Amino acid sequence: AQSVTQLGSHVSVSEGALVLLRCNYSSSVPPYLFWYVQYPNQGLQLLLKYTSAATLVKGINGFEAEFKKSETSFHLTKPSAHMSDAAEYFCAVLTDQFYFGTGTSLTVIP
Amino acid sequence: DAGVIQSPRHEVTEMGQEVTLRCKPISGHNSLFWYRQTMMRGLELLIYFNNNVPIDDSGMPEDRFSAKMPNASFSTLKIQPSEPRDSAVYFCASIQGIETEAFFGQGTRLTVV
Repeated sequence: AQSVTQLGSHVSVSEGALVLLRCNYSSSVPPYLFWYVQYPNQGLQLLLKYTSAATLVKGINGFEAEFKKSETSFHLTKPSAHMSDAAEYFCAVLTDQFYFGTGTSLTVIP
Repeated sequence: DAGVIQSPRHEVTEMGQEVTLRCKPISGHNSLFWYRQTMMRGLELLIYFNNNVPIDDSGMPEDRFSAKMPNASFSTLKIQPSEPRDSAVYFCASIQGIETEAFFGQGTRLTVV
């Protein structure tokens, strides 16, 4: 069975600080990995995806994620947080279907 | 393309009533997913279809829930009878083939009183 673990249901960072949201997965087959963002009262929007090409993936709004097979991780980072980054972030694995993590709520402190 | 379209955006109903949620996937997408999102349980997959055929409905909570996809451009999720614990945001998502992302609708916020 596949699973996705997001460490930290709530993360707070100061504006301008590094954002690091953690995601670990378990998969019996090479996975496709995704990060989605959800703003209040909206659906999920794709931030970035890994599909077995480059291990460092760049997404929208300055976010990027690195696939590390040895660590079964796909952590999301952004060098400098902006107030508009405050949202819920979901990591997901696609094998036979999408498996989502429980989400991490990001708060940006001015 | 207008994206995945869900209707209604908000639904308030009384316990015991039938509720029907609707979803129009993106044209050309061959898989459709229904999710439920709550504070307590996060994002749960209820059912997904591939080429209009239900593939996995193990996430459907109980017999009160049913989903159909009569054609490639329309799906419904029905709850009959509804209960207060069904209150949640229900999302529909569609994808085309494999190796692609899921596109989500805006969701339907259901409140059962």
